[in-house]
Amino acid sequence: EVRLVESGGGLVQPGRSLKLSCAASGFTFSDSYMAWVRQAPTKGLEWVASISNSGTTTYYRDSVRGRFFISRDNAESALYLQMDSLRSEDTATYYCTRVGTRYGFDYWGQGVMVTVSS
Amino acid sequence: DIQMTQSPASLSASLGETVSIECLASVGISNDLAWYQQKSGKSPQLLIYAASRLQDGVPSRFTGSGSGTRYSLKISGMQPEDEADYFCQQGYTYPVTFGSGTKLEIK
Repeated sequence: EVRLVESGGGLVQPGRSLKLSCAASGFTFSDSYMAWVRQAPTKGLEWVASISNSGTTTYYRDSVRGRFFISRDNAESALYLQMDSLRSEDTATYYCTRVGTRYGFDYWGQGVMVTVSS
Repeated sequence: DIQMTQSPASLSASLGETVSIECLASVGISNDLAWYQQKSGKSPQLLIYAASRLQDGVPSRFTGSGSGTRYSLKISGMQPEDEADYFCQQGYTYPVTFGSGTKLEIK
């Protein structure tokens, strides 16, 4: 059974940092591209960042590039999102996802809430 | 960025009714189109990928179709458990973009 379990969310002040983690199991993690997708309260889905299976290539949406950093540890089957210089508009539930065939996100974690507020 | 225009924003259907949701991409996306279902308080679930391929475990009453810039999701025979939000998503190019969503309710 595929499982993606996020952790590390919480309440943080604007301008501060937070690091999200995602523990993966039930599939060959090192074979899979991975991504973070977020959803602001009562809003739609928004892709944040993706990383290649080896970790050598990363992709970001413009609004987070230079502030957020996606990384992975294939030995630990773990995905990370380092979020710096957080803004109120980053407030959302963050989902860890696996990138499947033709870039459909075929598995999702339960999500972790990040609230940026003073 | 590729814009995904999803319609309608909300929809009400009777049990057993067939419903359709549309997604229009701002440029051709070569069938790199996925559909998701998100029930209240839950994570999204992949229903359809590559425009028309049914994800494992998804009921066959869900079908996807389309090509080029126009895509649709059809639910043949609305069931109570189909009440949810539905989103389309293009994976043709970065940034990956989603439609704004359709809220499907039972009439």
